[in-house]
Amino acid sequence: EVQLVETGGGLVQPGRSLKLSCVASGFTFSSYWMYWIRQAPGKGLEWVSSINTDGGSTYYPDSVKGRFTISRDNAENTVYLQMNSLRSEDTATYYCAKDYYYDGTYYFDYWGQGVMVTVSS
Amino acid sequence: DIVLTQSPALAVSLGQRATISCKTNQNVDYYGNSYMHWYQQKPGQQPKLLIYLASNLASGIPARFSGRGSGTDFTLTIDPVEADDTATYYCQQSRNLPNTFGAGTKLELK
Repeated sequence: EVQLVETGGGLVQPGRSLKLSCVASGFTFSSYWMYWIRQAPGKGLEWVSSINTDGGSTYYPDSVKGRFTISRDNAENTVYLQMNSLRSEDTATYYCAKDYYYDGTYYFDYWGQGVMVTVSS
Repeated sequence: DIVLTQSPALAVSLGQRATISCKTNQNVDYYGNSYMHWYQQKPGQQPKLLIYLASNLASGIPARFSGRGSGTDFTLTIDPVEADDTATYYCQQSRNLPNTFGAGTKLELK
């Protein structure tokens, strides 16, 4: 059974940092790209970052580029999200997701339960 | 960025058909496939994959759910609607980065 378990959320002041972790099990972690996707309270879903299988390529939207860093440890089956210079608009539930690559594209076939990050003074 | 537009809410009666639309401002087709996917999210839960590549049912999803469309117009149909289907439904495109989602359609029962 595929499981993705996020930890590391909490309340943090604006401008400070926080690091999220997502431990994966039930699949060959090193064979899949991994993602972070967030959801502000009462809002929709926003892709936050992607990382390829060996960690050599990472991608971000403009809203977090330069502030967030995704990384992975394939030996520990874990993907991380280092969040720096946090802003109130980063307040959200952060989901870890794995992809499934099929017919030239990918989609998110499994999601973690999410972890809440609140940025407030 | 590709923008996905969904109606905010839809109310249907039990046993009836629900049709949820998603329109994009750019074509999301590529080499014969439509890079559009659908997710269901119930309150307090993570999203769950329903449909991939516009019309393919994800594993374990009941055949009451179906998807169709191409180019810039897509629909998710639930027929017949059951009480357990009350949720918010999101479309998502993977044609271009950044991945983008629609704002979601909240399905309610009349």
